[in-house]
Amino acid sequence: DTGVSQNPRHKITKRGQNVTFRCDPISEHNRLYWYRQTLGQGPEFLTYFQNEAQLEKSRLLSDRFSAERPKGSFSTLEIQRTEQGDSAMYLCASSRDPLGLINNEQFFGPGTRLTVL
Amino acid sequence: GESVGLHLPTLSVQEGDNSIINCAYSNSASDYFIWYKQESGKGPQFIIDIRSNMDKRQGQRVTVLLNKTVKHLSLQIAATQPGDSAVYFCAENNDMRFGAGTRLTVKP
Repeated sequence: DTGVSQNPRHKITKRGQNVTFRCDPISEHNRLYWYRQTLGQGPEFLTYFQNEAQLEKSRLLSDRFSAERPKGSFSTLEIQRTEQGDSAMYLCASSRDPLGLINNEQFFGPGTRLTVL
Repeated sequence: GESVGLHLPTLSVQEGDNSIINCAYSNSASDYFIWYKQESGKGPQFIIDIRSNMDKRQGQRVTVLLNKTVKHLSLQIAATQPGDSAVYFCAENNDMRFGAGTRLTVKP
């Protein structure tokens, strides 16, 4: 078990470009979460998956953002037509929730730092 | 609206002292809380959790206290060490919301 991994660790892009981030959760974890974190703030929830189903999306997740988890394992977060305000750390977390009822701790990845110029 | 938040943005303590970090919540239906530690350049790391049917839970050098009457949560760190320097977040897991965090600085 190598923990949650995220790629790339850093991404610099020009405004208007599309970017895609990948998250590989802990293998037996069926829940996967995406958060955004800006300097001096706590993580802001974006969306989460139970296996391959996207169960909840925050209002922060505008139409330019899309997340997928096609096989219930890794997930991708795509941002289209990036804006300078999208610059942030994008964190992925996973948790094991076998019954779908019990809250469990989330294991976070190191994050992908996005800078939009 | 409902919120999870922290009382103090920064806390500075002397090495060896005890630290207390506070958190307020407003959702009376919250039944599960987690404290996370985030070191610079890293993702948050689980420290300890507590369910609403408990008012105290102890870990190694850490204790979480839950006061449901006033919707208050605290994290106590005993014999604080330089390695404890980080930002600490409480999270209400039902809604996956975090407060802004408290930055703990431990002075040697």
